[in-house]
Amino acid sequence: DAGVTQSPTHLIKTRGQQVTLRCSPKSGHDTVSWYQQALGQGPQFIFQYYEEEERQRGNFPDRFSGHQFPNYSSELNVNALLLGDSALYLCASTRQGGNYGYTFGSGTRLTVV
Amino acid sequence: GESVGLHLPTLSVQEGDNSIINCAYSNSASDYFIWYKQESGKGPQFIIDIRSNMDKRQGQRVTVLLNKTVKHLSLQIAATQPGDSAVYFCAENEIQGAQKLVFGQGTRLTINP
Repeated sequence: DAGVTQSPTHLIKTRGQQVTLRCSPKSGHDTVSWYQQALGQGPQFIFQYYEEEERQRGNFPDRFSGHQFPNYSSELNVNALLLGDSALYLCASTRQGGNYGYTFGSGTRLTVV
Repeated sequence: GESVGLHLPTLSVQEGDNSIINCAYSNSASDYFIWYKQESGKGPQFIIDIRSNMDKRQGQRVTVLLNKTVKHLSLQIAATQPGDSAVYFCAENEIQGAQKLVFGQGTRLTINP
């Protein structure tokens, strides 16, 4: 049973560029959340998608946007990249109405230069 | 503001000893708490969780204690092994609320041989 898979694993972008990160949830899960983890810090909630809609959002600017597809997979898009966007981006999935456990992927390491 | 903090950023223990990692949370509406283990280059891995209607829960070599009066959470790891070396995060959530995990900064646990 595959867990949460994220791609790519590593990415280097130039300031001002745009990036798209991808996530496939664990089998049986229908809700996807994205987190940003800066070096030496705990993950920070970006937003959550369920039924192809953004349900919750953390304190992140509109440069951060997302999408969920009918197969429950999700994308995170970041526009106009800043150096401070360099971080590990984590995807977590869960199932609505389940035991509320969240399964995390291994993340995408984004470096903005 | 909402925050989940940890008292000790680093903790070193001898192999075979017991370790205790502490966490303070500030959102009195939180009713679900999770401990995660994160190894280098990986995403957070679920260790154990507890709901607010409990004050203790045991797993294999791990025990979580919840004191709602002082908003304190702890993770006890018995008979530590080298593989327990990692960063440990506590996270809080409101089951009927925002459905987002709020993480603390983390504690780096090092097991000395």
